[in-house]
Amino acid sequence: GQQVMQIPQYQHVQEGEDFTTYCNSSTTLSNIQWYKQRPGGHPVFLIQLVKSGEVKKQKRLTFQFGEAKKNSSLHITATQTTDVGTYFCAGPPSGGFKTIFGAGTRLFVKA
Amino acid sequence: DSGVTQTPKHLITATGQRVTLRCSPRSGDLSVYWYQQSLDQGLQFLIQYYNGEERAKGNILERFSAQQFPDLHSELNLSSLELGDSALYFCASSDRGLYNEQFFGPGTRLTVL
Repeated sequence: GQQVMQIPQYQHVQEGEDFTTYCNSSTTLSNIQWYKQRPGGHPVFLIQLVKSGEVKKQKRLTFQFGEAKKNSSLHITATQTTDVGTYFCAGPPSGGFKTIFGAGTRLFVKA
Repeated sequence: DSGVTQTPKHLITATGQRVTLRCSPRSGDLSVYWYQQSLDQGLQFLIQYYNGEERAKGNILERFSAQQFPDLHSELNLSSLELGDSALYFCASSDRGLYNEQFFGPGTRLTVL
């Protein structure tokens, strides 16, 4: 079945450093979605990418969708303590219904 | 506030018991998803309903069942509970049901003693 892998599992950064998390699917995806879950909270939708090679920015966050629509990345520039949490990627396979979530990357930011 | 409500917020019960978790989706959303998140783990997809019908199934145990009612709220029933069922259970909803973003409720924390 479809698998979505995320690396790294954990990342510790100093405030102000950059951070990147990578997402790889075993199958082609219809779209890729990114969610953030703060400690003790629930996942919150950040963005959805649909087109091959698509790049979207949200302030300090840059999201990319690979040309083959099987991988994606989230890059945060100059992390802040408010960025702490777990970042999940998720996507349904092309032609499928089931959105599969990656295991997430937990980001720790030291002030 | 995502607009998705879940009750109860916390639930403590004993092994072997049965519980029901309830979810009300955002107004107008036809799709409801259930997820299990164990301590510091990822989101395990359990099941999806779309406008009252089961749409997709994940790693849902036979002891677990769910349904979506005509008013679109959903219930997740967990029976013969085991210690390992202790987890956060999230409900999410989306409109149109297929590829749209999901809005998560605050979750129900289940503790099985």
